[in-house]
Amino acid sequence: GAGVSQSPSNKVTEKGKDVELRCDPISGHTALYWYRQSLGQGLEFLIYFQGNSAPDKSGLPSDRFSAERTGGSVSTLTIQRTQQEDSAVYLCASSLDRVNNEQFFGPGTRLTVL
Amino acid sequence: GNSVTQMEGPVTLSEEAFLTINCTYTATGYPSLFWYVQYPGEGLQLLLKATKADDKGSNKGFEATYRKETTSFHLEKGSVQVSDSAVYFCALSVNNAGNMLTFGGGTRLMVKP
Repeated sequence: GAGVSQSPSNKVTEKGKDVELRCDPISGHTALYWYRQSLGQGLEFLIYFQGNSAPDKSGLPSDRFSAERTGGSVSTLTIQRTQQEDSAVYLCASSLDRVNNEQFFGPGTRLTVL
Repeated sequence: GNSVTQMEGPVTLSEEAFLTINCTYTATGYPSLFWYVQYPGEGLQLLLKATKADDKGSNKGFEATYRKETTSFHLEKGSVQVSDSAVYFCALSVNNAGNMLTFGGGTRLMVKP
């Protein structure tokens, strides 16, 4: 079956612009995660959605970052007023549910802020 | 809090050599432990996992044993191949904390023919 997909695969933007990154999880997966992979910080958790529950936003680095998940499926990560330190690969992962916790990762979106 | 420490790379080995990548962890709660692999130009893939003490995860000739007493989950392979060249990440998740993964810094493995 189809895996986790993310779009765009690459995004180049200018400092101060807003960007939206999209994630399509595996069909039927109720848990969705966003992570960031950067040279300086390694792999770090950003935000977690489980079903219709309120998301766990504890990993978001600033209030410029937000995410939503519509209809329990597709998720969008939005970064407002991008800064150069936001440059990273943004990874999305999904898992079947909270108990079956094997996470399947998408290919990532490489964000470059000039 | 939760944290994972793994040996820094790069690790350079000749083909058919024995591989060990050390990983230790600290966790609030009872963690599940994972090894993920990232091949050049590809996304993260789960390599193996263990969910309770003394469990051994294995896949593609790689093994790791969940050692609660030493809080470790070292990755081993008896005979590496050039195709094993990749970055390996040790990670943990705690079920009562949303299952988000906490990753180590990654270890780059280079296998030479």
